[in-house]
Amino acid sequence: DAKTTQPNSMESNEEEPVHLPCNHSTISGTDYIHWYRQLPSQGPEYVIHGLTSNVNNRMASLAIAEDRKSSTLILHRATLRDAAVYYCIRVERGGSEKLVFGKGTKLTVNP
Amino acid sequence: DAGVTQSPTHLIKTRGQHVTLRCSPISGHKSVSWYQQVLGQGPQFIFQYYEKEERGRGNFPDRFSARQFPNYSSELNVNALLLGDSALYLCASSFWNVEGNTIYFGEGSWLTVV
Repeated sequence: DAKTTQPNSMESNEEEPVHLPCNHSTISGTDYIHWYRQLPSQGPEYVIHGLTSNVNNRMASLAIAEDRKSSTLILHRATLRDAAVYYCIRVERGGSEKLVFGKGTKLTVNP
Repeated sequence: DAGVTQSPTHLIKTRGQHVTLRCSPISGHKSVSWYQQVLGQGPQFIFQYYEKEERGRGNFPDRFSARQFPNYSSELNVNALLLGDSALYLCASSFWNVEGNTIYFGEGSWLTVV
C-alpha cells in the first residue's frame, strides 16, 4: 500500500504559522497528495490537495517539493480549532478511491 | 447542502449479532466508501462502491459486506460480530473531477460490541 511518513506529533502556539511535513519518496508521477484532518470524535475533514504546483485555499497552503518526494501543509495562523490529527495521503489519479491512512501527525496548539 | 449523513450515530451490539450501518452521500456524489477506525489508529479502507458496483475491497473478512442503492445511498453489513469489530465506521462520498477526487466523510457510526 502507498504509504507516507509524517512526524507523530507537533506543537504550535496560537496565531503562529505551522508547517506539517510529509515524505512520499515513492510517489508516482500521477499520484495526488491529499491532506485530511480529524478532530476528536469526528470524521476526517478534507483540507487540501495538489499534484505538482503549490496550492492555496481558505484553510491552508500546500507546498510540494520539485521532485514531489515531499510536501508541507502550511497553516498560516494556527488557532485552537486547528488542533487535530493531520493525515497526508497519496491518491492515485483516476484510480481507486482507496485512501491509505497512516497514523498522521497530532497537532497541539497552545493558547 | 447536507453533508454525508450516517445512521445510527451510536449503537451497542452483542457478540454474534448482525449490524447494518447506513450512509447517504452528498447530493450528486455517486461514489461511496466505507472505513473502519479503531481507537488510536487511522481509518482503514473496507469498501468502495461507484454506480452500484463494487470498485474496491480492503483486507476485511467476508463477514463484512456492503451495497449501494439506485439513489447512491449505501449500507454496510457486518455479521457474526466480534469484540474486535468495535470501532468508528466512517462513510465517505466523492465526485470525480479533473483535479482529482475530493472525498468527504461523515461523522461516523460508533459501534460497540459487548
